Amino acid sequence: EPEVTQTPSHQVTQMGQEVILRCVPISNHLYFYWYRQILGQKVEFLVSFYNNEISEKSEIFDDQFSVERPDGSNFTLKIRSTKLEDSAMYFCASILQESVEQYFGPGTRLTVT
Amino acid sequence: AQSVTQLGSHVSVSEGALVLLRCNYSSSVPPYLFWYVQYPNQGLQLLLKYTSAATLVKGINGFEAEFKKSETSFHLTKPSAHMSDAAEYFCAVRNQAGTALIFGKGTTLSVSS
Repeated sequence: EPEVTQTPSHQVTQMGQEVILRCVPISNHLYFYWYRQILGQKVEFLVSFYNNEISEKSEIFDDQFSVERPDGSNFTLKIRSTKLEDSAMYFCASILQESVEQYFGPGTRLTVT
Repeated sequence: AQSVTQLGSHVSVSEGALVLLRCNYSSSVPPYLFWYVQYPNQGLQLLLKYTSAATLVKGINGFEAEFKKSETSFHLTKPSAHMSDAAEYFCAVRNQAGTALIFGKGTTLSVSS
């Protein structure tokens, strides 16, 4: 069964450093998402991406964040200058069309020290 | 704005007992509702979804949920708990403005023998 994959599974970085989280959505899906889950808290929406542009974003998704689909298969989330409070599990998700459920990847645990 | 409230951050049941996890939503339009399960150190897996068809929705692993518009509820049930059901359960509603998901805070289900 097709699945969303994410790399790395765990990323440790120092405060102020740039980090790129990578996702490979299911191949024929059209909508892509990033969510985050701070330890012990609920899953929060960050951004959605469709037709090579951001279609929706939350208040969390400020200028420190950016997304890109560089090569037609990967979908990346970049955090320009990480802060301690960026430590969280980051989930990528994709859907084929609006009416279908989102398929989530296994997540990348980001630890900012 | 849409929101999801999950009553009870932690539910404990005995193996073989009924599982009831509560979810209430707020939405000004007919919602799309979802239940996801998260096992330790894993991603989110869809249990079931409601998309305005039948009000009683059956999902995987013996779970089902009933959409009750009058009560704005979408409670998750399973007649007989199994040890393997121990996990975190999230209720979610699709964002009215787009396709992003708004999650509840989650309910941890513990199953004892």
